Amino acid sequence: KAGVTQTPRYLIKTRGQQVTLSCSPISGHRSVSWYQQTPGQGLQFLFEYFSETQRNKGNFPGRFSGRQFSNSRSEMNVSTLELGDSALYLCASSLGGRGYTFGSGTRLTVV
Amino acid sequence: DAKTTQPNSMESNEEEPVHLPCNHSTISGTDYIHWYRQLPSQGPEYVIHGLTSNVNNRMASLAIAEDRKSSTLILHRATLRDAAVYYCILTENSNSGYALNFGKGTSLLVTP
Repeated sequence: KAGVTQTPRYLIKTRGQQVTLSCSPISGHRSVSWYQQTPGQGLQFLFEYFSETQRNKGNFPGRFSGRQFSNSRSEMNVSTLELGDSALYLCASSLGGRGYTFGSGTRLTVV
Repeated sequence: DAKTTQPNSMESNEEEPVHLPCNHSTISGTDYIHWYRQLPSQGPEYVIHGLTSNVNNRMASLAIAEDRKSSTLILHRATLRDAAVYYCILTENSNSGYALNFGKGTSLLVTP
């Protein structure tokens, strides 16, 4: 079966712009989480959605937001981009059990 | 959240067993123990999880101490493809979802 699909794979944006990243979970998975990975901070939790509702949120500024659609696909948005937002953004989905399946990520570079 | 402590790095020879330790002395009675790994240039991959009893799957075994203050991930025969960063993570038994607190993990080097 298809895994977690994230688009685009690579993205270059300018400071001050906004960006939207997309995640399609495994079919039937209703929980979608987002993570940011940087060399300095490692993997950090952004937020988790279940049935279109945000259930958990990490310690990130309000510039980071997300949503989930009725088909469980999710998007995350970062507004007013800063150089420090350059990172690998990972999406993960779960059936609601104990294991998450991760996508390959979107590599965002802010210049 | 309860914390985990792992060695920064470990090294193993190919085809040898590998025991990756994790200390979690402040674990609560309902915390699950998860292991994920991240191969170079890939997203993290679920390996195994458990609560109290030892667990086995096709990838690895998880040995949990009787007092649950530590656990060990066992790779029975390391291959070069097992070279990765291994993360030991605790999660609450929550019906409202949970976040994975990845920490620094253990970087496993496998040599031929």
